[in-house]
Order: sequence, then structure tokens, then C-alpha cells
Amino acid sequence: EADIYQTPRYLVIGTGKKITLECSQTMGHDKMYWYQQDPGMELHLIHYSYGVNSTEKGDLSSESTVSRIRTEHFPLTLESARPSHTSQYLCASSELGLEAFFGQGTRLTVV
Amino acid sequence: QKEVEQNSGPLSVPEGAIASLNCTYSDRGSQSFFWYRQYSGKSPELIMFIYSNGDKEDGRFTAQLNKASQYVSLLIRDSQPSDSATYLCALLDQGNLIFGKGTKLSVKP
Repeated sequence: EADIYQTPRYLVIGTGKKITLECSQTMGHDKMYWYQQDPGMELHLIHYSYGVNSTEKGDLSSESTVSRIRTEHFPLTLESARPSHTSQYLCASSELGLEAFFGQGTRLTVV
Repeated sequence: QKEVEQNSGPLSVPEGAIASLNCTYSDRGSQSFFWYRQYSGKSPELIMFIYSNGDKEDGRFTAQLNKASQYVSLLIRDSQPSDSATYLCALLDQGNLIFGKGTKLSVKP
């Protein structure tokens, strides 16, 4: 079944640790996105990619980085986590110009 | 950047009533619009998309687009308590989905 997967679903980690949030999709979509959303707040686009070797920063400045070595995989990395990074991170994918489908999200807490 | 405006609510309607959710946008050139539903603690899920002026119906949901007035709306007929969620309006800006802040809908039994 075609889908989009995020791991881990929940992560509690100490300040200063390096973390990678995984996102994979089996729909063959070229476009992938990372959004950040605090509880009860709006979605903010932090990174996107048009395809392999393409990465762009979104509207909200983020200290995270992304890579796109394979079409189906779009991981997000924080080199040194801080409490201000506590949030929900949502990965999505789409065909170019069409609707996006979201993964289940990773809820990150940095203590 | 193009803006998408929504009333944050909460919008409260009784079970069985019609819920009307509205969204306005700043760029007259915007072409593609989407409605997503997001339950608390969950990720957004697509309800409908609309590209042309007029109405588009899918079951209990009707999306309405008026490009001249720059608004898009979502009507939910026969509202159910399970429809209680935040509804996000979005448009495509240079290939990226830009979301409004969402309207929280509460359907009372």
C-alpha cells in the first residue's frame, strides 16, 4: 500500500544531542516537505525538495537540515537539539502541483 | 508571500446542522485550493481540492470557490460530532502548500 511513514512517532531527547527524523514515502512522489507545528498553532513550512539532490528552505527559519539522496527518503537532522526545538514535525509528499499527503508526524521534546 | 486567512473559531454547530467554514486569500493569481481536516494531535488529511470557480460536492462536503472575491469555503451538511476538528485551508504558492491557521469546529450532540 502506497503511504508515507515517519519515525519515530515520539522522541524525548536531551539538550545538545544530534537527532535525525526519518520520512519515507512509497508513492513515487517527487515533491517532499517538512512542516513544523506547535500544539494548536499553524503549520509552518521549514524545508522542501523537488527531487533527488534538491533541498530548499521554507518560510520559517529552522536550524535543521535535510537531505534527499533517494526519491523516497527525506530525513531531517538537528545537529544540536535545544528546548526551543520542541514541536511536532510533519513530513508530506505530493506530485508537483497537486495535493500533499502527510505522515503521522514526530512529536519531539527536548529536555 | 501569499496569505491565507481563516477565522480561528471555535465554530460551534448542533448535530445535523450545516457548518460553514470560510477562507480568504491575498493573491488574485492563486489557482489551486485545498481543505484539510486535522484532529487534535493528528496530522492533516485532505478533504477536498478545488481549482475552478463554483461549487464542488463530495458526499456531505461542498467546496465553493469565488476567485473574483478571493474566498473559498467549505460546507459540511448534516454535521456529526465526528466532524469536530480543525479545518485548514491551503493554496499552492510556487508549488508549495501554504496553510491558513485553521478554524476549529465543534459539533454538539
